[in-house]
Amino acid sequence: EVQMEQSGAEVKAPGESLRISCKASGYNFANYWIGWVRHMPGKGLEWIGLIYPGDSDTRYSPSFQGLVTMSADKSSNTAYLQWSSLKASDTAIYFCARQEDFWTGFYFWGQGTRVTVSS
Amino acid sequence: DVVMTQSPRTLPVTPGEPASISCRSSQSLLDTNGFNYLDWYVHKPGQSPQLLIYVASSRASGVPDRFSGSGSGTDFTLRISRVEAEDVGVYYCMPARQTPPTFGQGTRLEIK
Repeated sequence: EVQMEQSGAEVKAPGESLRISCKASGYNFANYWIGWVRHMPGKGLEWIGLIYPGDSDTRYSPSFQGLVTMSADKSSNTAYLQWSSLKASDTAIYFCARQEDFWTGFYFWGQGTRVTVSS
Repeated sequence: DVVMTQSPRTLPVTPGEPASISCRSSQSLLDTNGFNYLDWYVHKPGQSPQLLIYVASSRASGVPDRFSGSGSGTDFTLRISRVEAEDVGVYYCMPARQTPPTFGQGTRLEIK
């Protein structure tokens, strides 16, 4: 059974760093693109980017390039999203999802990680 | 990049009535293999987003058959034959082969 298990909620101060995780199970982690999505309070869904764990190829949405870093660890079947210096505007729920073969959608999603950035 | 335009932005529907959401793409999503690479998702309150439709008209596993997708090229439609209270949420279309992906602005389905 495919599962995407995300790390728990985080409360951070502005300027702090953060790494959240998405642990995959039930399939060959290296062979599927994983995407990250942001949902800010009261706003629509936004794609942050994609990462291919097999070779760590990353594709960032222009709006997020340079603001976050995606990575993946094949030894632990875990994808990561990290910030070096958080801002209040990073407050959101972040979802990871697996892209299916042949561009047939993102079927498996994590439960989401709530990130709150507040002084 | 492909830009997706959805309408309406808000859709109030009486339970049991049908509903329809339009999605227009700035570029054709029709591939030479005959498939239109367009997904539909719903994001319900307090839940993770859910894939409803892929390649424009194929229902994802577990999606009720009252959901259907149609269209080709640049114009697509998601239809719900009989809306239920559990269908409340924001519906998004997405060009499936764009990397990284982008969502349309979303259509909020509300129950009257």
